[in-house]
Amino acid sequence: QQQVKQSPQSLIVQKGGISIINCAYENTAFDYFPWYQQFPGKGPALLIAIRPDVSEKKEGRFTISFNKSAKQFSLHIMDSQPGDSATYFCAARAGQKLVFGQGTRLTINP
Amino acid sequence: EAGVAQSPRYKIIEKRQSVAFWCNPISGHATLYWYQQILGQGPKLLIQFQNNGVVDDSQLPKDRFSAERLKGVDSTLKIQPAKLEDSAVYLCASSLTGPNQPQHFGDGTRLSIL
Repeated sequence: QQQVKQSPQSLIVQKGGISIINCAYENTAFDYFPWYQQFPGKGPALLIAIRPDVSEKKEGRFTISFNKSAKQFSLHIMDSQPGDSATYFCAARAGQKLVFGQGTRLTINP
Repeated sequence: EAGVAQSPRYKIIEKRQSVAFWCNPISGHATLYWYQQILGQGPKLLIQFQNNGVVDDSQLPKDRFSAERLKGVDSTLKIQPAKLEDSAVYLCASSLTGPNQPQHFGDGTRLSIL
């Protein structure tokens, strides 16, 4: 119940395309859903986050879509750029505890 | 604003040896976290401090791992004795107190056990 399942494990997208990463959860106590971006040799950095009372949140080229009834949420990266190549983690928070997905390694081909 | 500082960046030890990691959180951040990130996986919380008190250490292998934050600022994480399966990146994060405060991560210590 504490798991967050993330897919795909890896993703290759052409420059300018849309990258989509999906996550699913079971625990209805989760009330905050951040996405983190991690470059090799660096710690995860907060990218964008959403609360379950909102169905969509957009910040620049990054959008979170949230489906509370299906217990799923996704990250969309529009106009993907080579600099977006990184590992992306979804996460979910219950109380003060953050549970991370397994990660998606995104590669943007120029 | 200075970020979360961790040292060392890399550490190689043999199994059954001991090792310690150090973390200096962002100034003013009362909450401090230690995570273990095994290659190809997401970070897993080991222990969370609120000031110098432990909030959650349910996933800390207490037979070999210990952590302290004596003055409510810097923290150390120790492993003794190390096992092969402890090879991972150990990440420290900090946040302000309160609901939904973002966690800010350091760049971690990469530990290799031979």
